[in-house]
Amino acid sequence: DAGVIQSPRHEVTEMGQEVTLRCKPISGHNSLFWYRQTMMRGLELLIYFNNNVPIDDSGMPEDRFSAKMPNASFSTLKIQPSEPRDSAVYFCASSLVLRLGGSSYNEQFFGPGTRLTVL
Amino acid sequence: GQQLNQSPQSMFIQEGEDVSMNCTSSSIFNTWLWYKQDPGEGPVLLIALYKAGELTSNGRLTAQFGITRKDSFLNISASIPSDVGIYFCAGQPDNAGNMLTFGGGTRLMVKP
Repeated sequence: DAGVIQSPRHEVTEMGQEVTLRCKPISGHNSLFWYRQTMMRGLELLIYFNNNVPIDDSGMPEDRFSAKMPNASFSTLKIQPSEPRDSAVYFCASSLVLRLGGSSYNEQFFGPGTRLTVL
Repeated sequence: GQQLNQSPQSMFIQEGEDVSMNCTSSSIFNTWLWYKQDPGEGPVLLIALYKAGELTSNGRLTAQFGITRKDSFLNISASIPSDVGIYFCAGQPDNAGNMLTFGGGTRLMVKP
């Protein structure tokens, strides 16, 4: 089975340019998450969607960041304009969230990540 | 926000030794997950725990959901070189929607 697919795997761009990261979640999953990983701050949740609807974007650093999920099989994270401090590895993860008998099952599966370098 | 304290931050051990790492929180969690991340890759789910006191094994890995719901540990028995990587705990707090909080990671190095 295909896991979470992300593209591109690597992106090098110049400050001020627009960057678009793409994610295809695992088929049948109902939640999608965008994370950023840096040495200094570890893994940070940027935004997550449930059934294609953005639920919590409190982790989005600033207005330069935006994310969309037009359908259940595709999501984008856009940075415009990009800055050197945006350099990081960006991960997309998806899960099939189930609530059964008072328990919440939320096993998130990660993609391989996009390593972004902004010069 | 929620805080997860993961320790140790790094370990350098001899092949064949057992390893133990843990995560603690000041808040109650209803789910604990353990991931391993290899260089250049995304975290891979190792074990999921959903009930206080639950003890689950996956090969040489064993993890437990603390009875207080505020901690979890991961043990690796008889370590091998391919166990090298960064191990993350992640927890889902009560009333946090579908969000996970991640620990800072434990970097494991194994000497053959």
